[in-house]
Amino acid sequence: AQSVTQPDIHITVSEGASLELRCNYSYGATPYLFWYVQSPGQGLQLLLKYFSGDTLVQGIKGFEAEFKRSQSSFNLRKPSVHWSDAAEYFCAVRHPTSGTYKYIFGTGTRLKVLA
Amino acid sequence: DVKVTQSSRYLVKRTGEKVFLECVQDMDHENMFWYRQDPGLGLRLIYFSYDVKMKEKGDIPEGYSVSREKKERFSLILESASTNQTSMYLCASSHERLLTGENTEAFFGQGTRLTVV
Repeated sequence: AQSVTQPDIHITVSEGASLELRCNYSYGATPYLFWYVQSPGQGLQLLLKYFSGDTLVQGIKGFEAEFKRSQSSFNLRKPSVHWSDAAEYFCAVRHPTSGTYKYIFGTGTRLKVLA
Repeated sequence: DVKVTQSSRYLVKRTGEKVFLECVQDMDHENMFWYRQDPGLGLRLIYFSYDVKMKEKGDIPEGYSVSREKKERFSLILESASTNQTSMYLCASSHERLLTGENTEAFFGQGTRLTVV
């Protein structure tokens, strides 16, 4: 079955520390991969996406993610976390072919940042 | 900027009422989606539409219906609201035709927090 796993429900880091959020997927083909961020009471905003080429992708707000095909992973990283990064983060996939429509989301990782 | 706009940020409705949640997108996207978000459960797909008047059930369609009469508008209907439908509802849209990696992400509205009392 197709699925996305975010094994960490909650993560707490100190401001200025590095961050890595994990995402693993189970999918028949190499999907398109996404990371979204959701601030409290808001919709989801795209941080970055991978669809082909360089497996290290850069996104907004200083985030990056690395696609590792052999591990079916797409982990999100940031070298130095800011208090404003406190939010919920969702990993998502979709099939790379027209006509398949749907996105599959992980259950999210809630990030808390300590001052 | 792509815009997906949901008609209400907050709604309070009574049990048994018929509830309409409206969503409009301005990017000529073929696909539109309604998700429900609850703590610990992530986003669950209720219904989606890939064209005008076309709809398909998602993972949790029970108690909901949808309408897409125009390409830019996708409505979620709660036929008879119940307290277990209290939740955050998110609308999204995306391209489908001529899909390339560049245009593949879904765009989300700001969400509607519905409380059924």
